[in-house]
Amino acid sequence: QVQLKESGPVLVQASETLSLTCTVSGFSLTNYGVIWVRQPPGKGLEWMGIIWRNGNTDYNSALKSRLSINRDTSKSQVFLKMNSLQTDDTAIYYCTRDSGFITTAGYFDYWGQGVMVTVSS
Amino acid sequence: DIQMTQSPASLSASLGETVTIECRASEDIYNGLAWYQQKPGKSPQLLIYNANSLHTGVPSRFSGSGSGTQYSLKINSLQSEDVASYFCQQYYDYPPWTFGGGTKLELK
Repeated sequence: QVQLKESGPVLVQASETLSLTCTVSGFSLTNYGVIWVRQPPGKGLEWMGIIWRNGNTDYNSALKSRLSINRDTSKSQVFLKMNSLQTDDTAIYYCTRDSGFITTAGYFDYWGQGVMVTVSS
Repeated sequence: DIQMTQSPASLSASLGETVTIECRASEDIYNGLAWYQQKPGKSPQLLIYNANSLHTGVPSRFSGSGSGTQYSLKINSLQSEDVASYFCQQYYDYPPWTFGGGTKLELK
């Protein structure tokens, strides 16, 4: 069955770099786009970026200078790296799948459990 | 970027009641709208896409409607398991995908 699971450090120091991994199963990264979404505690959802089926990426313009997403299709893993972290980057980070098979649906049908990342000053 | 405005921000309702949550887009999104349910401590789950299509396995008491810039999510006969936050998301114009601010639904 389709699963996504985020992993990475739960505590990061301010000004350092966050590295998260999304390991997927039950589908191929060459057939579906994977998106990163974050949610500050008690707040709403923010789209961060996407890695498309062909490996191209798009980023939220507010994060673009600090964010990169890439993948290893042989390991079914998607990687997020964001540098120059600040305390307002404290959030739950989710990876999720675009529901379109070999196309783009634009809505997200499977989500990981999320990883709570705290940025400490 | 298309802005999404949800209302109300919070809502208290009784079991068996009908609840409606609204979502307004800053421009026409041509039914490119999804609704998600997020139970406390859990990740969001897709409820509705294309404004009114029920995702697989979602109970029929949930329904979506709307067009243009105005959309709504209706929950008929509210159940205790419906206590959650609800988010709308537009996907007519992306990137970026944008979400509404959320509606927190509690039991009265």
